[in-house]
Amino acid sequence: DSGVTQTPKHLITATGQRVTLRCSPRSGDLSVYWYQQSLDQGLQFLIQYYNGEERAKGNILERFSAQQFPDLHSELNLSSLELGDSALYFCASSVAGGGSDTQYFGPGTRLTVL
Amino acid sequence: AQSVTQPDIHITVSEGASLELRCNYSYGATPYLFWYVQSPGQGLQLLLKYFSGDTLVQGIKGFEAEFKRSQSSFNLRKPSVHWSDAAEYFCAVADSGAGSYQLTFGKGTKLSVIP
Repeated sequence: DSGVTQTPKHLITATGQRVTLRCSPRSGDLSVYWYQQSLDQGLQFLIQYYNGEERAKGNILERFSAQQFPDLHSELNLSSLELGDSALYFCASSVAGGGSDTQYFGPGTRLTVL
Repeated sequence: AQSVTQPDIHITVSEGASLELRCNYSYGATPYLFWYVQSPGQGLQLLLKYFSGDTLVQGIKGFEAEFKRSQSSFNLRKPSVHWSDAAEYFCAVADSGAGSYQLTFGKGTKLSVIP
């Protein structure tokens, strides 16, 4: 158990819908990362937040957005869903976001878009 | 841009045999390198990491990795594989672009273990 929690574990929805994925980082960690894992693209970085502020963006679509709240939990919002958005979405957290910091991964949310 | 290559998509070894999983990276500065393992239906667990110092790093579950700057490699090794090691293994480099250290992952190597 990494200490990072993600809900829900599974999500099945239809094209065009909007969903919200939730992540609670490890106690004391200020930095949260979101990654997408798909068969064709592999593991890709989406976005990072540090202490409530966006720090970096990766290959995140404009239909996707995220935020980190004062209690440091984070939400990833996916809208106008397409079949290709079906993937495993991971949240990771680290103490401060430095290069040598270990990123601890949650169990993931498996999103299926029908 | 940084990149990580894991040349072997799938490796099969017999239980008790030695294991080496290859990883090559492309990164200009001194890299921060990681190996993660993902069991079916599970998240990613850190096996070990390198960011400075001794080029041979020890990790959990009996794994070790050696950083070779001249070869841009960070290969993962284990002297004797157990059936429970069957999983997918990912090599990653922490990219320091734009003040962040997001991980860039290789495509992964799936390990199968024959009893």
